[in-house]
Amino acid sequence: SQTIHQWPATLVQPVGSPLSLECTVEGTSNPNLYWYRQAAGRGLQLLFYSVGIGQISSEVPQNLSASRPQDRQFILSSKKLLLSDSGFYLCAWSWWLAGANTGELFFGEGSRLTVL
Amino acid sequence: SQQGEEDPQALSIQEGENATMNCSYKTSINNLQWYRQNSGRGLVHLILIRSNEREKHSGRLRVTLDTSKKSSSLLITASRAADTASYFCVFKTSYDKVIFGPGTSLSVIP
Repeated sequence: SQTIHQWPATLVQPVGSPLSLECTVEGTSNPNLYWYRQAAGRGLQLLFYSVGIGQISSEVPQNLSASRPQDRQFILSSKKLLLSDSGFYLCAWSWWLAGANTGELFFGEGSRLTVL
Repeated sequence: SQQGEEDPQALSIQEGENATMNCSYKTSINNLQWYRQNSGRGLVHLILIRSNEREKHSGRLRVTLDTSKKSSSLLITASRAADTASYFCVFKTSYDKVIFGPGTSLSVIP
């Protein structure tokens, strides 16, 4: 079976500090990978998605970046955090096969980032 | 905006009552899904309805889709306190984008 791990679960960082959130998927190959951000009491905003190693698409311009160094590893980074980066970050994966890809997403448990 | 809209934003009901949440969207879709999120947790997929389907059931869940009105509804029958969560409609567009609605916060009072 497939599992997704995301860490750290919570993070408190000062403004201007760097960020690294990690996500790994087990039990499948070549998944589509996603990073979402959820502001308090709001829906999810797609930040980045990846269809393969080194292939990253950005949905929203900001001071965040994403990387996919390995097939099942997805990293969200920032060189200098802003107050507005606070939120709940969710990693997700979906099947890569276009015909079988209904768009169903499988989510990690999330990382709550507080920037002070 | 390609974002979906959901109503109500918040819903509070007594245990045993039915809960109905609605979702509208603006673009052509391949399918529409509903997800549930417990407070501070990841999202869990509940049910998927394809664009050529009108109604689907799964346990106490019933989803309808009206593509002419670009709307969907999620009905939870005989609600339980454990159903308290946020519910999101999510639609996959014809261009393979997956878009989330803002969600409905459901509180089921024991």
